[in-house]
Amino acid sequence: EVQLVESGGNLVQPGGSLRLSCAASGFTFSSYSMSWVRQAPGRGLEWISYISSGSITIDYADSVKGRFTISRDNAKNSLYLHINSLRAEDTAVYYCARDGNYYGSGNYYSLFDHWGQGTLVTVSS
Amino acid sequence: SELTQDPAVSVALGQTVRITCQGDSLRSYYVNWYQQKPGQAPVVVIYGKTNRPSGIPDRFSGSTSGSTAYLTITGAQAEDEADYYCNSRDSTNTRLGVFGGGTKLTVL
Repeated sequence: EVQLVESGGNLVQPGGSLRLSCAASGFTFSSYSMSWVRQAPGRGLEWISYISSGSITIDYADSVKGRFTISRDNAKNSLYLHINSLRAEDTAVYYCARDGNYYGSGNYYSLFDHWGQGTLVTVSS
Repeated sequence: SELTQDPAVSVALGQTVRITCQGDSLRSYYVNWYQQKPGQAPVVVIYGKTNRPSGIPDRFSGSTSGSTAYLTITGAQAEDEADYYCNSRDSTNTRLGVFGGGTKLTVL
C-alpha cells in the first residue's frame, strides 16, 4: 500500500524557517517524481513545487521561489521542503503528492495519484 | 496563468451537474480533476481530460471545449458533495502546475 506521511509542521514566527518531511513507503520512491501542494485554511489547493525522480528537474511556483527549497533522499525514501523567510500567507496545510503516470485515450498523463494527510504550518507572532 | 472555476454549484439528488474550469492553458494542455471532502486529502476523479481512474464511479466524466474543461456528474449522489478542483499547467510556463480555485458542490 502506498503511504505518504508528512511531518515537521509547527507554529513559527514570521521570518522563521522550517523543514517539512514526507516519508514514502509501499512503492519504489526513486522511480517517481514528487510534488508539494499547500492549502491555506478555508482556501483552495496551490501547487508549490516539483522534483523529478533523480532531482534533475526542480520547479517552484512564483509565490515561493527563492524562499522554498525542495529536495529528496532516495536512499531514505524521503522528500523534503525547506521553508525560509516565513510569512503569514504561508500558513497552510502542506501535502506531499506522488506524480504518477497513467495511460488513457492513447496517451500518458501525469497526475497526483497519492497524497499524504498533510502537515500544518502556522506562521504567527 | 490561472484556472477559473465557479465558487459554488448545487444539484438535486439524482440530477446531472456540470462543473466548469476556464483557462488559456487548457487549449494546449490536459486537465485533471480532484475531489476533496472535508478533512481529507484530494482524490483524482478524472485525468487527461476524459479518463476515469479505477474505482471512480462512471457517473463522473470529463470533457473539454477550447479553453474550458468540464466535469460532469450524471445522477449526483449525496456522497458526491465535496470541493472539486481542476489542475493543469501554467500557460506561460508549462513546467509549472496550477489549480483552479475550486467549486463547492452541494447535493440537495
